[in-house]
Amino acid sequence: AQKITQTQPGMFVQEKEAVTLDCTYDTSDPSYGLFWYKQPSSGEMIFLIYQGSYDQQNATEGRYSLNFQKARKSANLVISASQLGDSAMYFCAMREEETSGSRLTFGEGTQLTVNP
Amino acid sequence: DAGVIQSPRHEVTEMGQEVTLRCKPISGHDYLFWYRQTMMRGLELLIYFNNNVPIDDSGMPEDRFSAKMPNASFSTLKIQPSEPRDSAVYFCASRTGTEAFFGQGTRLTVV
Repeated sequence: AQKITQTQPGMFVQEKEAVTLDCTYDTSDPSYGLFWYKQPSSGEMIFLIYQGSYDQQNATEGRYSLNFQKARKSANLVISASQLGDSAMYFCAMREEETSGSRLTFGEGTQLTVNP
Repeated sequence: DAGVIQSPRHEVTEMGQEVTLRCKPISGHDYLFWYRQTMMRGLELLIYFNNNVPIDDSGMPEDRFSAKMPNASFSTLKIQPSEPRDSAVYFCASRTGTEAFFGQGTRLTVV
């Protein structure tokens, strides 16, 4: 079974609008972390935001927020006020503290295009 | 800090040749990871080190791949002999806290 599922291969959004990128995960580990990374066309992987499984509040970092719904095992990334520079591939990833140690497992990614 | 530094950025080599990829992690980081990215398989972990010791190498495809970390500031990933199916982007990442920071990657093409 897939550990991380990103069901949207591609998403389009108008500049200045908000967009939600979906991510669901599968784990039986009680302690885990969820991450989002951005990969622009230049190829580097840029860390965006982190949510721990025990965190009570949803994580926020500037225009990025993580909509964490633990019972549904989802960790959607919300980007507010989209900018042209947000066009990139976005990866959701999980680290299972007990079962997988320090390994990050990535989803297949969502290609976001921001239209002017 | 300069971030995670990988070299070379691009490598084109002929099948059968030895390839060595290099990584300098962020100073003070005690974990180092090697990932490979392909269209078919996405991002997959090859191996990771903690305090220079290999912890999990279950992702290393086969004996042709080897990785070393002789000290806290340097790691290598070697492929010998290389094959066309090894063509991919290879990322090195390091961390000490929660998030891992990635290098720019090495794009390897084996012809």
